[in-house]
Amino acid sequence: QKEVEQDPGPLSVPEGAIVSLNCTYSNSAFQYFMWYRQYSRKGPELLMYTYSSGNKEDGRFTAQVDKSSKYISLFIRDSQPSDSATYLCAMRMYSGGGADGLTFGKGTHLIIQP
Amino acid sequence: DGGITQSPKYLFRKEGQNVTLSCEQNLNHDAMYWYRQDPGQGLRLIYYSQIVNDFQKGDIAEGYSVSREKKESFPLTVTSAQKNPTAFYLCASSRQGAQGPGTEQFFGPGTRLTVL
Repeated sequence: QKEVEQDPGPLSVPEGAIVSLNCTYSNSAFQYFMWYRQYSRKGPELLMYTYSSGNKEDGRFTAQVDKSSKYISLFIRDSQPSDSATYLCAMRMYSGGGADGLTFGKGTHLIIQP
Repeated sequence: DGGITQSPKYLFRKEGQNVTLSCEQNLNHDAMYWYRQDPGQGLRLIYYSQIVNDFQKGDIAEGYSVSREKKESFPLTVTSAQKNPTAFYLCASSRQGAQGPGTEQFFGPGTRLTVL
């Protein structure tokens, strides 16, 4: 079973606010977790990659993974209008070193109001 | 510049025709992938390839075919058997080997296919 749930939004917040984006999943075999940002009519851009429970910070972005609750989050601090995009969570299982596809959520459309 | 290129950016096809989408990468990645994205939907895996001359079906392979004759190239053919081909098609690549950092998938800019 490969299912990832993500609220499609739109989520609209004022500039400077802290944004919280979330995904839940049902398959405990997922081990690697990613957040991608996608602007309209463009390819997804990798923002964060995590593989253990806890927090990972990169600039204004923090990725959080709670494997016991099957819940992942992306926080954006000091949000800017340029952060307006669709944010996709993605995950995959351990594949013994071989390639494997990602399972994506449907994406959350984020709007930062100036 | 290292990266993934997809061509064309926009493609129009008549019903009943096969069409081939190009994907090239110069990142020296072993693995390549094709995904399909429909409006308001996440990406769904069509095919992937771990190495030259080898590929595996993804979740929605019916009506599609691929080849992997060169490490840099992974073209996707959308055949007339694909019942609903209008979509945004995305190619990705990644390193092989141990799991963890360094094996992330990176995406190209996409090809938007419209069937008339």
